[in-house]
Amino acid sequence: KNEVEQSPQNLTAQEGEFITINCSYSVGISALHWLQQHPGGGIVSLFMLSSGKKKHGRLIATINIQEKHSSLHITASHPRDSAVYICAVGDSGTYKYIFGTGTRLKVLA
Amino acid sequence: NAGVTQTPKFRILKIGQSMTLQCAQDMNHNYMYWYRQDPGMGLKLIYYSVGAGITDKGEVPNGYNVSRSTTEDFPLRLELAAPSQTSVYFCASSALGQANSPLHFGNGTRLTVT
Repeated sequence: KNEVEQSPQNLTAQEGEFITINCSYSVGISALHWLQQHPGGGIVSLFMLSSGKKKHGRLIATINIQEKHSSLHITASHPRDSAVYICAVGDSGTYKYIFGTGTRLKVLA
Repeated sequence: NAGVTQTPKFRILKIGQSMTLQCAQDMNHNYMYWYRQDPGMGLKLIYYSVGAGITDKGEVPNGYNVSRSTTEDFPLRLELAAPSQTSVYFCASSALGQANSPLHFGNGTRLTVT
């Protein structure tokens, strides 16, 4: 079993829909990261959080430390949100980043 | 501000050839990493460095080598390329250790070994 699990693996939505991507982890963490990888391949950091909730534009990230679970929400989705979203955790035991396999999101116009 | 610059973007190697993937960052980050990304798998750590002159192995170091002579540069060397090294390679940097600072990625190198 992977230490970082994401669901769903693939997601297709219509423009305007509210989207949720989930991440569960099994290790103690220093922080949790959400990353976005566009079709061109580049990876950018969206959020880093260790508690509570963060919001940036239409993106919201939440984390529940007790349940070892995080969600990434996209409100009013748009085709330009189409990308692979990757959850990663900082392992508090090793201080290494552990990556999920990603959720491939396609938003249709 | 260029961030993390990685070259080349694409490369095709024959089995047994060698090459160096270049990575440079202009953010004065001490921590630098090399990852490989294979289809259906999460990013796997090849090598990392916590500062100039200091490098260490990650999860999948076999067949690779690194050096860190300056804070800015962290090249990855492939010796005797094998088909198993076909992958997309990412260089990344972070300001702090302890995996609680954002990672900054290069644009990746798509390598094919035939």
